[in-house]
Amino acid sequence: KNEVEQSPQNLTAQEGEFITINCSYSVGISALHWLQQHPGGGIVSLFMLSSGKKKHGRLIATINIQEKHSSLHITASHPRDSAVYICAAPYSGAGSYQLTFGKGTKLSVIP
Amino acid sequence: EPEVTQTPSHQVTQMGQEVILRCVPISNHLYFYWYRQILGQKVEFLVSFYNNEISEKSEIFDDQFSVERPDGSNFTLKIRSTKLEDSAMYFCASTPFQDQPQHFGDGTRLSIL
Repeated sequence: KNEVEQSPQNLTAQEGEFITINCSYSVGISALHWLQQHPGGGIVSLFMLSSGKKKHGRLIATINIQEKHSSLHITASHPRDSAVYICAAPYSGAGSYQLTFGKGTKLSVIP
Repeated sequence: EPEVTQTPSHQVTQMGQEVILRCVPISNHLYFYWYRQILGQKVEFLVSFYNNEISEKSEIFDDQFSVERPDGSNFTLKIRSTKLEDSAMYFCASTPFQDQPQHFGDGTRLSIL
């Protein structure tokens, strides 16, 4: 069973700061998911990546398969980035698509 | 952009009653999922569904739970005899293929009294 750990649990940043959220998992996987949960509770998929790096606007996700580690970066953070960021990995490793989730990182960006 | 829609947004039910949570996945998607999130806790996988049958389920998904795709559009989660600990936000998700990102609905907040 995959164990997913995220850090930090809470993060407060000033607007414009560069933000990094880390995720590690215990069992080799085919792909890792980064999700954003809005204050109202809704969940949006940000990235699904299996190697290297992906970029979408000010968000960048990287993964190191050998080290079982992924990071989510936000450049030039903005108050609208305030949300909970969650990483999720396949429960049983590669070949399983049942997701196990980290506890999330609550990001607050202050103007 | 197509969305996953869930109804109702909030359901209040007496303990012991049956409840059905409804989801309309994106129309060309083939894989469907239910998750739950107890207040203040992490999201947990319940069940995945493909080709009219369950493909994976978690330890949480016991005999009290069932899923159904009664027609071409709806995907339902039934809890037969609700318990206080079933109070949570329930999310439905869908994806066209298993190795694609999942699209989530806004969730149904279930409150058991």
